[in-house]
Amino acid sequence: NAGVTQTPKFRVLKTGQSMTLLCAQDMNHEYMYWYRQDPGMGLRLIHYSVGEGTTAKGEVPDGYNVSRLKKQNFLLGLESAAPSQTSVYFCASSPTGGSYGYTFGSGTRLTVV
Amino acid sequence: QQQVKQSPQSLIVQKGGISIINCAYENTAFDYFPWYQQFPGKGPALLIAIRPDVSEKKEGRFTISFNKSAKQFSLHIMDSQPGDSATYFCAASFSYDMRFGAGTRLTVKP
Repeated sequence: NAGVTQTPKFRVLKTGQSMTLLCAQDMNHEYMYWYRQDPGMGLRLIHYSVGEGTTAKGEVPDGYNVSRLKKQNFLLGLESAAPSQTSVYFCASSPTGGSYGYTFGSGTRLTVV
Repeated sequence: QQQVKQSPQSLIVQKGGISIINCAYENTAFDYFPWYQQFPGKGPALLIAIRPDVSEKKEGRFTISFNKSAKQFSLHIMDSQPGDSATYFCAASFSYDMRFGAGTRLTVKP
């Protein structure tokens, strides 16, 4: 009964480095999301996917790319990390659209120095 | 611009008291209004949710009050307990688009 699993949990990057955050869900959910959480700003949607092979931009997509090659996995990539991308990243999934509750992972704390 | 505005930013309540967190939204297309509870180091977890065709929903000590005409909704926590100390987020959504408030850090003092 894992739900949504995110790896890694913590990461420190140097400016300009790249990395990929992995999200895996075992609930057969169609929709998956990537959010970033910053103090005083709540959660902001980066990218989302409405099914295997699909991706779309959210509220703050610049500097990020995503892929969903398999239904259960949703990857978030940073090609050239910037200090402004220091944040806590959360992956979430839902059975269908947002008019249902989301299941969130436990987050990845990323620091870009 | 923030589509969901949440207040207060922080709230301190005595054990046994009532905690009240308020939210206001702008987009009338939103059709689902959840509240999430987040403990330090954890992801948000769905607490309770309401759809705009009802004005109130109660689950145990947690109640959502919804005012469609004012585009406002609130979370009431009755008989607040120290274990309720967490950050609470309201949200509003339509299809894939879920917008979150900035969060309220609740501290319940014993």
